[in-house]
Amino acid sequence: ELKVEQNPLFLSMQEGKNYTIYCNYSTTSDRLYWYRQDPGKSLESLFVLLSNGAVKQEGRLMASLDTKARLSTLHITAAVHDLSATYFCAGDYTGTASKLTFGTGTRLQVTL
Amino acid sequence: DVKVTQSSRYLVKRTGEKVFLECVQDMDHENMFWYRQDPGLGLRLIYFSYDVKMKEKGDIPEGYSVSREKKERFSLILESASTNQTSMYLCASSPPLTGAKNIQYFGAGTRLSVL
Repeated sequence: ELKVEQNPLFLSMQEGKNYTIYCNYSTTSDRLYWYRQDPGKSLESLFVLLSNGAVKQEGRLMASLDTKARLSTLHITAAVHDLSATYFCAGDYTGTASKLTFGTGTRLQVTL
Repeated sequence: DVKVTQSSRYLVKRTGEKVFLECVQDMDHENMFWYRQDPGLGLRLIYFSYDVKMKEKGDIPEGYSVSREKKERFSLILESASTNQTSMYLCASSPPLTGAKNIQYFGAGTRLSVL
């Protein structure tokens, strides 16, 4: 059974600072996903990481995947207030290819 | 754009009531999912369906059932609502696994309070 753990659960950071959210998973995952959820809104797909060493970037967010370490990271560069949201990682695995297992989420608060 | 619509944003029900949560998607997706979201627990899968009239239990199916009579609609049923089912419920859909991606598209959620 795939288990996904995120840390930290809550992150308060100042604008302009850099930080990383970590996502560990317990068994082989075929793909690793990052989603964003704004307060009161639905989840929105950010990145899909398909293979070891994959790196995806959009704006101030960069996601990477290390399948050997069973670790994905979401790096935030020079945070801005608009990035305040909850970020989830999720994995899936062969055999139940349509199912995702989500982490607990990281609530990011960027203060001015 | 994919649209997943949940019929209610907020619901208040009484203990013991039968509750229906409805979800409709407009992208002809085969797969549909129901999750509940609770603080500190993330999203937990209740049920999912990969075809009309097909369903599979997720991680926390107890106290819930589902119905999928048409491809675009997936209903979550609480047969006898209890206070521990107070939560945010999220519906999602996804196409068949093609191109090595499996992105799920989510509705805005239904916040259910059971009193």
